[in-house]
Parts: sequence; structure tokens; C-alpha cells
Amino acid sequence: RKEVEQDPGPFNVPEGATVAFNCTYSNSASQSFFWYRQDCRKEPKLLMSVYSSGNEDGRFTAQLNRASQYISLLIRDSKLSDSATYLCAVNPPSGGYNKLIFGAGTRLAVHP
Amino acid sequence: DTGVSQDPRHKITKRGQNVTFRCDPISEHNRLYWYRQTLGQGPEFLTYFQNEAQLEKSRLLSDRFSAERPKGSFSTLEIQRTEQGDSAMYLCASSLSPDTNYGYTFGSGTRLTVV
Repeated sequence: RKEVEQDPGPFNVPEGATVAFNCTYSNSASQSFFWYRQDCRKEPKLLMSVYSSGNEDGRFTAQLNRASQYISLLIRDSKLSDSATYLCAVNPPSGGYNKLIFGAGTRLAVHP
Repeated sequence: DTGVSQDPRHKITKRGQNVTFRCDPISEHNRLYWYRQTLGQGPEFLTYFQNEAQLEKSRLLSDRFSAERPKGSFSTLEIQRTEQGDSAMYLCASSLSPDTNYGYTFGSGTRLTVV
């Protein structure tokens, strides 16, 4: 089983739609969780951290479910510019430094 | 300069040649990471430096790969006797300890093509 798993998609949604992605992780002792956005042939860019109580940043909401070992990303009112690959990243117990394990990404395509 | 810089952006090399990539982290960051990303996959951890000390190497990092961070500033990643399977995007990231609650910033990457 992979340490971090994501549905590769693609998710094809119309502008204005709400879309949600999940990401599961295998190490129950994982400490920190993140969502990154990656545009085609570019580097991943940090979208948001995921906090235990859930957190929101504009149209984006991230949730953590420790019991079921998954994190989620909800995008409301999708824009064409949201089209990208969304990578989840998990910081497993690793001696105190910030090593991240990434999922393979979920591709989102927003169409007019 | 406020970001992580990587050089070169693109590298095409013939199989069997050696290549070296450079990463300049954000200046006050003491932690530096190398990742590799192939098409359709997420970044895979290769190695980590805290200051000049290389504290972890992935088993993905075969004997043909070596990374250094002299003086705890910039870092180099060398691949000897390149193989076609080495074709990938090589990403560098840096962060400031302690920072387990923060993700880190990647450079633009070096895209390696081995022909």
C-alpha cells in the first residue's frame, strides 16, 4: 500500500461547481498535512496547510479526519484558473524534520 | 532573491554522461531537500540536509547519485553515468527549522532528459 494515495482523476467540472478531493495516508502517527497545487510542467506550490480543526482560505476548505486517516480539499465556485493538479503531502514521524511524502496528485479540469 | 533558485532549468544529456544540478535555497533556511518527480507521479524524496550535514538519503538515491551542501548554503546534486530512467524533474526545496507545521517552498526545478 502506498503511504499517500489520491484519486488521479481527472475531475471535469463546470465553472461555478463545487468539487472535493480526498487523500488517504497510511501512517497513523503522521504529524502535518498539506495541499499543494501544481500547474503543468511547473513546480508544486503550497496551497494550504491542513489543521486538525479544519481550515478555510477563501473558496478552499481543508479537513483532516485522523480516525479514518484522510484529508480532504473542497473548492467552491470553481474558476477556470483552478485547473491544475492537486497534490496532498503528509509529514510522517521522521525524527523531527519536515520530510514530506506526496501523493501522485488529482487532476482538476474546470470548463466554461 | 526571495525564492529557491535552481540551475539549469533544463538539461539534455546523452546516456552515460555525468550531470550536476545546483540549488540555492532561501538565504536563512537551514534545511534543504531534493526531490525527483516523474510524469504522473508526485515528488519523491531523495535526500535532506540540515546545514551542511546530509541526514537522510532515500534508497532511490543509488550509488550514481551524490549530493553535497558545502558550508550549509547552496547544494549540488550529481548524477554519474546517467540512464534513461533518470529522466525526470529534479526539485529542490528549503525550510527553516523548527517548522513541522509549515510546508516548504520548491524551486522551479531542473528538467533532465537523458537521450
